[in-house]
Amino acid sequence: RKEVEQDPGPFNVPEGATVAFNCTYSNSASQSFFWYRQDCRKEPKLLMSVYSSGNEDGRFTAQLNRASQYISLLIRDSKLSDSATYLCVVNKVSGNTGKLIFGQGTTLQVKP
Amino acid sequence: EPEVTQTPSHQVTQMGQEVILRCVPISNHLYFYWYRQILGQKVEFLVSFYNNEISEKSEIFDDQFSVERPDGSNFTLKIRSTKLEDSAMYFCASSPTLKLFFGSGTQLSVL
Repeated sequence: RKEVEQDPGPFNVPEGATVAFNCTYSNSASQSFFWYRQDCRKEPKLLMSVYSSGNEDGRFTAQLNRASQYISLLIRDSKLSDSATYLCVVNKVSGNTGKLIFGQGTTLQVKP
Repeated sequence: EPEVTQTPSHQVTQMGQEVILRCVPISNHLYFYWYRQILGQKVEFLVSFYNNEISEKSEIFDDQFSVERPDGSNFTLKIRSTKLEDSAMYFCASSPTLKLFFGSGTQLSVL
């Protein structure tokens, strides 16, 4: 099983649509979870952290289900500028440090 | 806003040559990382660095790779004898805790 698994898409949606991305992770000891956004041939940029209670940042809502080892990202009222690849990222703790493990990403294309 | 800077943005080299990729992490960060991304594939962990030593490395990070923090600001990745399959985008990242902040990357092309 992959450490972090995402549906690669692409998701093609019209402007204004609501779209949801899912992600599963294999290591039940993982403690921190993030969604990063990556534009074509650019560096990943932190979109938001994911907390157990769920959290919202404007049009973006992230949810975590530890029992199912499942993370989601919901984007409401999607904009053309939301077109990007969304990376599900999970930490893997080892000793005193952690490293982040990236999913392969889900590509979103928002069309006018 | 402070940022991670990487140089060069593009590096073309011949197979078997040594390359050094340079990074200046954000100044008050303590953890440093190198990741790479082969075109069309996922971002892969290479190595983490803390307290002036490697804290973890992946299987990719073999004897051909090394990292250094030669002074208080720079963090370098050296590939001793490049192979065709080393062609990728190499991202440096730094972190105060677990949130990583990435540089804009060095695109390495090995011919």
